[in-house]
Amino acid sequence: QSALTQPASVSGSPGQSITISCTGTSSDVGGYNYVSWYQQHPGKAPKLMIYEVSNRPSGVSNRFSGSKSGNTASLTISGLQAEDEADYYCSSYTSSSAVVFGGGTKLTVL
Amino acid sequence: EVQLVESGGGLVQPGRSLRLSCTASGFTFGDYAMSWVRQAPGKGLEWVGFIRSKAYGGTTEYAASVKGRFTISRDDSKSIAYLQMNSLKTEDTAVYYCLTMTTTFAFDIWGQGTMVTVSS
Repeated sequence: QSALTQPASVSGSPGQSITISCTGTSSDVGGYNYVSWYQQHPGKAPKLMIYEVSNRPSGVSNRFSGSKSGNTASLTISGLQAEDEADYYCSSYTSSSAVVFGGGTKLTVL
Repeated sequence: EVQLVESGGGLVQPGRSLRLSCTASGFTFGDYAMSWVRQAPGKGLEWVGFIRSKAYGGTTEYAASVKGRFTISRDDSKSIAYLQMNSLKTEDTAVYYCLTMTTTFAFDIWGQGTMVTVSS
């Protein structure tokens, strides 16, 4: 099972919006609405930010939103803040009854 | 407080075995599927495997990279999940996280991780 494809890095200025893509296949991202997104700050455990493509867990800011079109899922962060600087990972359930992660995207807030 | 605490990590030689434990508290452990995810130094997240709750058969699934070498089990009476790692390779060196997994394959509660170093 190949990793999902994410851009290595994205950047934005405070207050702007950014979008991180996560591209898979019809056997994972495109075949199920089981895409999740995680935020990881250096030295910390990841934190669930989005589940089932577009749902936010309790306590996660509504500045974070998710969507999917075909085999590509996206995470959008609006109103960028300094504390959003972190690594972001997508994951998806697969037709092999497995879970696959994306390679991760480093977000820099300029 | 909902919490997962991993233990059992350390330095081990290639080819040897190691068992990690994950002790849960603050929630009904038996109701949840449990998963392990690892992260090699400076690298991204890699799913290792999961074990379903007894209500869903208690069956397991594994990543191809560990299938046949790693085994996940659970003791619901003690609220503990285990990761038995055999025939360890240098490429298994990573921080291993224990997590709960929702019915839609999202990892919602994470432990702090335990470091496993495979080296001679």
